[in-house]
Amino acid sequence: EVQLVQSEAEVKKPGESLRISCQGSGYNFGSNWIGWVRQMPGQGPEWMGVVYPGDSDTRVSPSFQGQVTISADKSIGTAYLQLNSLRASDTAMYYCARRHLTYWYFDLWGRGTLVTVSS
Amino acid sequence: NFVLTQPHSVSESPGKTVTISCTRSSGSIASNYVQWYQQRPGGSPTAVIFDDDQRPSGVPDRFSGSIDSSSNSASLTISGLETEDEGDYFCHSYDSFNHEVFGGGTKLTVL
Repeated sequence: EVQLVQSEAEVKKPGESLRISCQGSGYNFGSNWIGWVRQMPGQGPEWMGVVYPGDSDTRVSPSFQGQVTISADKSIGTAYLQLNSLRASDTAMYYCARRHLTYWYFDLWGRGTLVTVSS
Repeated sequence: NFVLTQPHSVSESPGKTVTISCTRSSGSIASNYVQWYQQRPGGSPTAVIFDDDQRPSGVPDRFSGSIDSSSNSASLTISGLETEDEGDYFCHSYDSFNHEVFGGGTKLTVL
């Protein structure tokens, strides 16, 4: 089955760091860009950045530059989103999504990882 | 960076047609393709339109997309509304630096 499986929900304290994973299966993981999208409660999605697992080329949104690290390990079919110096305002659902090989849209999404930051 | 503005909510009766707009704040709407995603409650987004007006495989032809350069906006039209169409709809596009933006979302109620 073609799918993206994300890591489980996390509860963190302010100031801590966290790495979320997204494992692809059922397709050639190295061939498609993987994007990360944040969705805060009741809000629209926010594009955080993308990574190309084939060569680890990465693009990060200016809005998240310096706050996140996006990476991928093609050998194990997994992309990562690292969140640094967490704040309560980082509480959100984080999705990974696969970009279509040919067209500019995300054609496969993970189920999301809920991150709660609370003291 | 630019902003994509959508109406907060729309509602319509089953069987009717509804149109959701998405207005780009700067830069031409025609310069970069627009996508539309549907998100049902508790679910992940799924694409219903890509490249302005194309439907991914499996999306019914009741869903259509268009752009209007005069208003610098894109539109998603859903005809023959069904209760299963209820959910949030987000537009999505990008700029010349390949930075991507999502709209704030429109909640569709089919009543």
